[in-house]
Amino acid sequence: DTGVSQDPRHKITKRGQNVTFRCDPISEHNRLYWYRQTLGQGPEFLTYFQNEAQLEKSRLLSDRFSAERPKGSFSTLEIQRTEQGDSAMYLCASSLASWSTQDEAFFGQGTRLTVV
Amino acid sequence: DQQVKQNSPSLSVQEGRISILNCDYTNSMFDYFLWYKKYPAEGPTFLISISSIKDKNEDGRFTVFLNKSAKHLSLHIVPSQPGDSAVYFCAASARDSSGDKLTFGTGTRLAVRP
Repeated sequence: DTGVSQDPRHKITKRGQNVTFRCDPISEHNRLYWYRQTLGQGPEFLTYFQNEAQLEKSRLLSDRFSAERPKGSFSTLEIQRTEQGDSAMYLCASSLASWSTQDEAFFGQGTRLTVV
Repeated sequence: DQQVKQNSPSLSVQEGRISILNCDYTNSMFDYFLWYKKYPAEGPTFLISISSIKDKNEDGRFTVFLNKSAKHLSLHIVPSQPGDSAVYFCAASARDSSGDKLTFGTGTRLAVRP
């Protein structure tokens, strides 16, 4: 399977704990995105990387959230001191982008976080 | 501020008939539009897209129409099949100014009745 892979698929954590999610994009894709989806809403943009550089962060991404993409391959999203409002599906997507091509983003299956 | 709106939360269609899903946007900077399909417990799957320089794009049973003056797009599925039952998300990006970051609507749940 050469699609976008996310781990874990489900995570239940106690309020105040830290959690980390991993995303492995499609291997040749240079852009990687994190989105968050809550019940009844569409995915909301959090941040994206071009190779290893984090180019944009949404205001939804509070200082408790940090994302990295070392070496421009896989990415991690860490949430510190989780709150119940962080409960959501966290989606990762990747795409191949250049000045001359526009490619659609391919999504992983998501990590469902429940904060109790 | 909901920049992409899908005003119909649900739609039910008979198998074999046409499904029409609608989407409106407010940001004039959007220049690329996509439809994604989502099954429960899965991530969104890309379906079809259209650039703002076109007004129609067709791929098999799926056609997307774009009306830039009305800031409106629609997805037509014909003929509809039970396997098309899913949540459909409209998404838009302003590629010239903000890369291909996507702004999504809230989705329309399509149910195709056998």
